[in-house]
Amino acid sequence: DAGVTQSPTHLIKTRGQQVTLRCSPKSGHDTVSWYQQALGQGPQFIFQYYEEEERQRGNFPDRFSGHQFPNYSSELNVNALLLGDSALYLCASSGDSRLRKQYFGPGTRLTVT
Amino acid sequence: GQQLNQSPQSMFIQEGEDVSMNCTSSSIFNTWLWYKQDPGEGPVLLIALYKAGELTSNGRLTAQFGITRKDSFLNISASIPSDVGIYFCAGLASGTYKYIFGTGTRLKVLA
Repeated sequence: DAGVTQSPTHLIKTRGQQVTLRCSPKSGHDTVSWYQQALGQGPQFIFQYYEEEERQRGNFPDRFSGHQFPNYSSELNVNALLLGDSALYLCASSGDSRLRKQYFGPGTRLTVT
Repeated sequence: GQQLNQSPQSMFIQEGEDVSMNCTSSSIFNTWLWYKQDPGEGPVLLIALYKAGELTSNGRLTAQFGITRKDSFLNISASIPSDVGIYFCAGLASGTYKYIFGTGTRLKVLA
């Protein structure tokens, strides 16, 4: 049973560029949440996707956008990259809404230079 | 962004010792999750808690949902070197889908 997968593993971009990160949820899960984790900090909620819609959004600018596909996989897009966007981007998937458990992928390390 | 307060921030312990850490919030939560994260990897779910006062174990790990619903506790018994890592709590309030994470407790075990 495959867990949550993310791609790419690492990415280096230049300020002002755009980036797309990808996530495939754990088998049987239909909900995907994205988090940003700066060095030495806990993960910060960016947004959650369910039924191909953004269900809730955290305190992030609209440079951060996402998408969920019919197979439940998801993309995170960040436009006009800033140096401060350098972080580990984590995807978490969940399935049973009663249990409310979230399972994380390995993350994508984004470095903006 | 908003983060929950975890203490201690870091700790060195001897192998075989028991470890206690806690997480506090100014808000009431209806779910607490505890994770362990190794460097450069994603957090791994350890324990989930759903009711005030609930005590749940996973091997040598035991976590409790505080009765005020504003805190949670994690205990590790008989620590071993592979317990090294950063432990995060995460709380979820009623009517929201947004987990709020703690600042983390970094555990270092001396063999």
